[in-house]
Amino acid sequence: NAGVTQTPKFRILKIGQSMTLQCTQDMNHNYMYWYRQDPGMGLKLIYYSVGAGITDKGEVPNGYNVSRSTTEDFPLRLELAAPSQTSVYFCASSRTANYGYTFGSGTRLTVV
Amino acid sequence: QQQVKQSPQSLIVQKGGISIINCAYENTAFDYFPWYQQFPGKGPALLIAIRPDVSEKKEGRFTISFNKSAKQFSLHIMDSQPGDSATYFCAASTDSNYQLIWGAGTKLIIKP
Repeated sequence: NAGVTQTPKFRILKIGQSMTLQCTQDMNHNYMYWYRQDPGMGLKLIYYSVGAGITDKGEVPNGYNVSRSTTEDFPLRLELAAPSQTSVYFCASSRTANYGYTFGSGTRLTVV
Repeated sequence: QQQVKQSPQSLIVQKGGISIINCAYENTAFDYFPWYQQFPGKGPALLIAIRPDVSEKKEGRFTISFNKSAKQFSLHIMDSQPGDSATYFCAASTDSNYQLIWGAGTKLIIKP
């Protein structure tokens, strides 16, 4: 019973590089979310999905893309990494909208 | 109007004392108010939640107090223990919105 699994746990990127943050959940949750967490700034929603094939922008989507081809997977793509994308990224899922999020353990990304 | 304002930013409490964290909101359409607990290196985890039809909800040592007229809600941790040292986030949402609106977080330290 893994819950929400995120990989990698840590990554250092050079400016302009691209990468994909992986997120998989095994709870058959329809709703999935990507957040970034900066010190003292709380959680900012990047993208969310209400089911396979459906995604929508959150509060801070610029510089990111997502896809949701299956219920289980919700990868986050960073194109042309910038120092402003240095952050801790969390993926979460829930059975219904907003209620009882289960979070992954996060990916700490540094862009240099 | 979509903001949730959380205070204090940090809090130090002696073991056995009461920890109190406050949140305020403007959007009267909010109808779900969860609190999440986050330990270092981990994702947030749902701690306790309340709907505005009740003024208080208690689960063990954790209590949410809700004041609808003042548009405020607070988390009380009774008999605070060193293991309660964590960052706490309040949040709010409406049924029609897929997004949780998060407070900025409170770093709680319980001194032995």
